[in-house]
Amino acid sequence: QKEVEQNSGPLSVPEGAIASLNCTYSDRGSQSFFWYRQYSGKSPELIMSIYSNGDKEDGRFTAQLNKASQYVSLLIRDSQPSDSATYLCASEGGFTDSWGKLQFGAGTQVVVTP
Amino acid sequence: DARVTQTPRHKVTEMGQEVTMRCQPILGHNTVFWYRQTMMQGLELLAYFRNRAPLDDSGMPKDRFSAEMPDATLATLKIQPSEPRDSAVYFCASGAQGVDTGELFFGEGSRLTVL
Repeated sequence: QKEVEQNSGPLSVPEGAIASLNCTYSDRGSQSFFWYRQYSGKSPELIMSIYSNGDKEDGRFTAQLNKASQYVSLLIRDSQPSDSATYLCASEGGFTDSWGKLQFGAGTQVVVTP
Repeated sequence: DARVTQTPRHKVTEMGQEVTMRCQPILGHNTVFWYRQTMMQGLELLAYFRNRAPLDDSGMPKDRFSAEMPDATLATLKIQPSEPRDSAVYFCASGAQGVDTGELFFGEGSRLTVL
């Protein structure tokens, strides 16, 4: 069992709608969480980071963290065709010198349909 | 435009051959990671370095993989001998501890095919 679990999708979302992505993690010691976006054939790029319980908004993206439930989510509002990609959830922390040592989920493929 | 540079971008080789992948991290980044991505396993951490010192290579098959960082501008990942199951995209990523928490900058990857 992977430490970070995501639904693989594909998640089909009409243009302009909200895409909701979920992620759970098993290591209760994890402190920091990230969402990376990866276009097909490209490398992952960071779009959101979240460290505290609650919501964090950045433009059309909102990340939500609930450490008690070991749950992280990402909302994409007003979805655009350019949002079609695989979204990777990652956790960090829980042990000494864990900076940057990320555990990635398998990713959720999002397809935004015009 | 600072970026992580990886070579080669594509490599096709035969089983048993040696493969060396190179990475130039972003100038000033003190932490360098090697990840492998496959459809089945996703992104897996193979090894990482901080200030050129190896911190963890527990993700690597020790008998055939080796990772080094001979200087601050170069990290290498070597596979000898290569096997078909090593076929994957290998990503190098770098980051600056204390500056951008958890933000790793990935190179474009080296796509390896072992026949």
